[in-house]
Amino acid sequence: QSALTQPPSASGSPGQSVTISCAGTSSDVGGYNYVSWYQQHPGKAPKLVIYEVNKRPSGVPDRFSGSKSGNTASLTVSGLQAEDEADYYCSSYAGSKNRVFGGGTTLTVL
Amino acid sequence: EVQLVESGGGLVQPGGSLGLSCVVSGLIFSNYGMIWVRQAPGKGLEWVSYIGISSSTMYYADSVKGRFTISRDDAKNSLYLQMNSLRAEDTAVYYCARDRGGTYSDYWGQGTLVTVSS
Repeated sequence: QSALTQPPSASGSPGQSVTISCAGTSSDVGGYNYVSWYQQHPGKAPKLVIYEVNKRPSGVPDRFSGSKSGNTASLTVSGLQAEDEADYYCSSYAGSKNRVFGGGTTLTVL
Repeated sequence: EVQLVESGGGLVQPGGSLGLSCVVSGLIFSNYGMIWVRQAPGKGLEWVSYIGISSSTMYYADSVKGRFTISRDDAKNSLYLQMNSLRAEDTAVYYCARDRGGTYSDYWGQGTLVTVSS
């Protein structure tokens, strides 16, 4: 149950786009279309922003999008806004109802 | 409005035990699997355990297997985590969350802090 690999930090100016990667293996990211992404503001609970690779829950702006290629998934935030500054975690199904998370990426809006 | 409210966190000595609860409202609790996820101070999220509908199946992370027990009481809309033989590395905020097919979680509680220290 090794953690997925995310860059520790990412940044962009308001209005720009930023992409966060999430590298796994064929046993998790590459093996299933069950990657999800969570946004977490300091001191708050995680909030689901993407599920099943590229689906957005109701209420999440379409500025958030997800994709996957092979063993690597990506979250793109377009038209960056100040409120997007947060930690972002990817997660993947890893079989037998197990979930594996990435180490998290701190997104800074410059 | 869906709400998940955890309780039971606190300070416990290494080797001790603690029980967490999560009361769920605003959804049909018995229809869903549930999970516990923890977050050590300044660290990332870690999946801890899963329980299926009607307690049909339970799964645990290797780091807690044999020490933690997940359970549920559908009559009380409640999820539990019994933690025994606690270690310093179990120090974390523990979140309960609704599971969707084992693949993602759309509702989360606010978390409860467990500190294991002498």
